[in-house]
Amino acid sequence: AQSVTQLDSQVPVFEEAPVELRCNYSSSVSVYLFWYVQYPNQGLQLLLKYLSGSTLVKGINGFEAEFNKSQTSFHLRKPSVHISDTAEYFCAVSQISSGSARQLTFGSGTQLTVLP
Amino acid sequence: DTEVTQTPKHLVMGMTNKKSLKCEQHMGHRAMYWYKQKAKKPPELMFVYSYEKLSINESVPSRFSPECPNSSLLNLHLHALQPEDSALYLCASSQEPGLLAFFGQGTRLTVV
Repeated sequence: AQSVTQLDSQVPVFEEAPVELRCNYSSSVSVYLFWYVQYPNQGLQLLLKYLSGSTLVKGINGFEAEFNKSQTSFHLRKPSVHISDTAEYFCAVSQISSGSARQLTFGSGTQLTVLP
Repeated sequence: DTEVTQTPKHLVMGMTNKKSLKCEQHMGHRAMYWYKQKAKKPPELMFVYSYEKLSINESVPSRFSPECPNSSLLNLHLHALQPEDSALYLCASSQEPGLLAFFGQGTRLTVV
């Protein structure tokens, strides 16, 4: 079984300040990791993914995340946020195993609010 | 084309109505999903189709009935819904189950 914990349900931050959204996962096997963003009344948009290779992953809109296997974390960062980054952010994990039973598991989400 | 298209965008239905939600993708993905999302909550998996066969049904009530007519289409048939079924219904697809999933914009369903 796998699980995802997003430690902060809400993160307020001022415009142009840096931000980190935390994500920890639990799994007995190796995993793929994802961050999705959801703007109000819209679907989920992929920000970035870790499948293999370099542990520092760059995504869209200036976001990046670092996979830390020893700490089982995949925190999302942005050095300078904009008002338009205000949205709900979901971390997700999927086990690296074959078969149709493999599933994407979501964390509970973090609401990022960028203040002027 | 990396789009998953869902119709309709909004749907209001009575508790005795029958309606269907539609989802389409042309990325050649072999896994398609239905998720239900309530406000301020993560998406909850309802069904997974893998190679056009239902592979996962997360104990969803029978008033929700999925259908996968072909590898590009996924439907969700709705009948005798309850007000608590009001939510955003998201369709997604991926190359294989559990891999990178692309989501549609969702259908906002209101049951009155």
